[in-house]
Amino acid sequence: IAGITQAPTSQILAAGRRMTLRCTQDMRHNAMYWYRQDLGLGLRLIHYSNTAGTTGKGEVPDGYSVSRANTDDFPLTLASAVPSQTSVYFCASSRDRGEPQHFGDGTRLSIL
Amino acid sequence: SQQGEEDPQALSIQEGENATMNCSYKTSINNLQWYRQNSGRGLVHLILIRSNEREKHSGRLRVTLDTSKKSSSLLITASRAADTASYFCATDEYGNKLVFGAGTILRVKS
Repeated sequence: IAGITQAPTSQILAAGRRMTLRCTQDMRHNAMYWYRQDLGLGLRLIHYSNTAGTTGKGEVPDGYSVSRANTDDFPLTLASAVPSQTSVYFCASSRDRGEPQHFGDGTRLSIL
Repeated sequence: SQQGEEDPQALSIQEGENATMNCSYKTSINNLQWYRQNSGRGLVHLILIRSNEREKHSGRLRVTLDTSKKSSSLLITASRAADTASYFCATDEYGNKLVFGAGTILRVKS
């Protein structure tokens, strides 16, 4: 079934640890996105990529990094996790920017 | 910062009734999109309306856009228990991103 796969589905992590959230899409979409969703705040964009080889910063990029080595994969790395990064993280993709986005089912991350 | 602001924050209706959710935004947009999120799942795209369109239909969904008032509404007719979810508007600001509102929680009672 075509779509977006995120891994892991949930994780508990000690503060200070490094963590990479994985995201893979099989729709050959050009654009990919990482959001965090916090209660009462909706979704906030962390980083995006309009095409393989390019990335850009969203609204809340600090403490996160991304890479886009190929079309399908868009990993999100927390270099040194802090408790304020406890959230639900969603990866999404779209054929091109501005087009409807397809979402994965999220990674629930708790930083202790 | 959030662009779209949904109203109401929560809505509870009986099955068969219509549900209306509103979204206001602040800047010029290329398009406005509505998404649904079921509990514990990712968002699902419902409908996209472009800035030069005023109304769009998709099944039981009707979306309007008033660019002069910077507002949009989503109407779900003949609601079903399966429509229970959170609904988000998102605006495309001619940039590289969609900006999502905080959402409306819809509960449809059977």
